[in-house]
Amino acid sequence: AQSVTQLGSHVSVSEGALVLLRCNYSSSVPPYLFWYVQYPNQGLQLLLKYTSAATLVKGINGFEAEFKKSETSFHLTKPSAHMSDAAEYFCAVRASSNTGKLIFGQGTTLQVKP
Amino acid sequence: DADVTQTPRNRITKTGKRIMLECSQTKGHDRMYWYRQDPGLGLRLIYYSFDVKDINKGEISDGYSVSRQAQAKFSLSLESAIPNQTALYFCATSTDYEQYFGPGTRLTVT
Repeated sequence: AQSVTQLGSHVSVSEGALVLLRCNYSSSVPPYLFWYVQYPNQGLQLLLKYTSAATLVKGINGFEAEFKKSETSFHLTKPSAHMSDAAEYFCAVRASSNTGKLIFGQGTTLQVKP
Repeated sequence: DADVTQTPRNRITKTGKRIMLECSQTKGHDRMYWYRQDPGLGLRLIYYSFDVKDINKGEISDGYSVSRQAQAKFSLSLESAIPNQTALYFCATSTDYEQYFGPGTRLTVT
């Protein structure tokens, strides 16, 4: 069975600092992995996805993530945080069946301080 | 116009009431999903559907039912609402590789 663990429910960084949001997954098959962002009072927006192509995936708004099979990780990074990055971030893995359903992590709230 | 719409966006209801949340999509996808979001728990799958005749339970289907009226419409019902069903509910559609989410319905059961 698939599962996702996001380390740290709250992360706080200063504006301009590196953003690192951690995600570890468990999967019995090669995973498809996703990062979604949820801004206040909005739905989920796809940031980036890994579907077994390049291990370093670039997404929108300057975010990227690296798939590391040996570490079963898919951490999200951004070199320089902006105030507008403050949101909740979810890591997800696609279930191994052909249902297309996603298994989500618990979410990480990113706070950006001026 | 949004690809996935949900109505209502906010709803307050009382314990024991029946309530329906509606979802419509214009993306032409066959697959549709209902999730609920609770603080600290992420999103959990309630039901999913591949077409009007194919509906499947997710991990937390107790207390919920669904109806797939057409390819574009997928409704979630709470037959007798209870306070622990207070949550943010999301509808989604998907291709093989990506899910597209609606804006969510915030439901409060008092």
